[in-house]
Formats: sequence, C-alpha cells, structure tokens
Amino acid sequence: NAGVTQTPKFRVLKTGQSMTLLCAQDMNHEYMYWYRQDPGMGLRLIHYSVGEGTTAKGEVPDGYNVSRLKKQNFLLGLESAAPSQTSVYFCASSRNRGGQFFGPGTRLTVL
Amino acid sequence: EDQVTQSPEALRLQEGESSSLNCSYTVSGLRGLFWYRQDPGKGPEFLFTLYSAGEEKEKERLKATLTKKESFLHITAPKPEDSATYLCAVIPVRANDYKLSFGAGTTVTVRA
Repeated sequence: NAGVTQTPKFRVLKTGQSMTLLCAQDMNHEYMYWYRQDPGMGLRLIHYSVGEGTTAKGEVPDGYNVSRLKKQNFLLGLESAAPSQTSVYFCASSRNRGGQFFGPGTRLTVL
Repeated sequence: EDQVTQSPEALRLQEGESSSLNCSYTVSGLRGLFWYRQDPGKGPEFLFTLYSAGEEKEKERLKATLTKKESFLHITAPKPEDSATYLCAVIPVRANDYKLSFGAGTTVTVRA
C-alpha cells in the first residue's frame, strides 16, 4: 500500500515550457487535491476533484489545469510555466470528511 | 471568510519541557478540524481529526483538544524527534467538497 505517490520529485523548467505532474493513490479515495506550498504563504489549494471525471477550481487556479480520467490518478498541468510557479507541489486524497493524506511533494523551479 | 490562525509561529523547547500550540478558527460551523505534522522536505503527515467541542485525541506525546473557537495541541515531555512544523486545518460545514483551510503552522524545535 503505497498511499499517495507523486512524479517527478524534482523538476527545473525554463519560462514558457510545459509539464505535467502526476499524482496516484491506491486507497480508493473519491476526493483528490493539488496544493502549492510557498514560504510564508502556507498550503494553498490549486484545484481539486470530488470524483472521476470531475474537477473544480481552488484558491489559486490561474496558470494550471487538471484532469481526473481515472479515479486513482490526478494530473496537474502547467501549459506555459512562469517563475511565479516556482514552488513545492503536494497532492492529497481523502475519502470524505476524514483527514487528507498527502504525497511526498514535487519541487519545481522555473527559471 | 474562513480564517485559521496558529500561534506561536515558532516554539523552541528543551527536551522534556511540555508546551501547547494554539489553533483558533473562524468558520460558520465546523465540519472537522485536523492536525498535521510536516518534516522538512516532506509532505504533511496526518495526526488527528476532531469533530466536536470537548473531543480529545492522543497519540504518544501529543494530545489534541477542541473547543468551539480553538484547538490546542499539547506536547508532553517532548523529544528531539518531535521537532517539526505542526499544521492545523478546518473544513467548514458548508464545504460539501471537503476542502481544507490551513493555518500557517507552528515550527517546533526541541533541543536535547
């Protein structure tokens, strides 16, 4: 039981490049979330999903897109990376009102 | 607007010196309050969920309590391995999508 896994662990992009972050969970959770964590800003919700095929905007969605084609996977895309998107990205999943379980994070640097 | 405020921002303790962290929240009805531990370079690790005032949860040297306006995380006789950032988060009743609102965290350093 791996819990929540994220790929890749680290990435460096140039401004304007695109990439996709992959999140996978093996706990059969309905809800999945993408957060970014920046010094002094805490954890901020980017997008989330309440089930397969559904997505919704969180607190800071601009510049990001997501897809949830399979229940166990939640993808976060950056179409044209900007230096302001340099951050640590965390994926989480939950069953319902219980605690969210987080992945190990992806450290992204945009030059 | 929902607000979660944690205090203090940082806490330095001597090994064995018990203390408490505070999480105060302003929401129109609480669905749940959550405590997490985060080590440097890692994702938050789930510790406790509290649902109603008066509820208490314990795990090793940690004990979480909940009132109608705040929660406390008590650390009893801490050890250096308890050093971490402790995060508090809430889900308001109206949040049918179970989105968490996080506080900024309290960074605890325990010296041997």
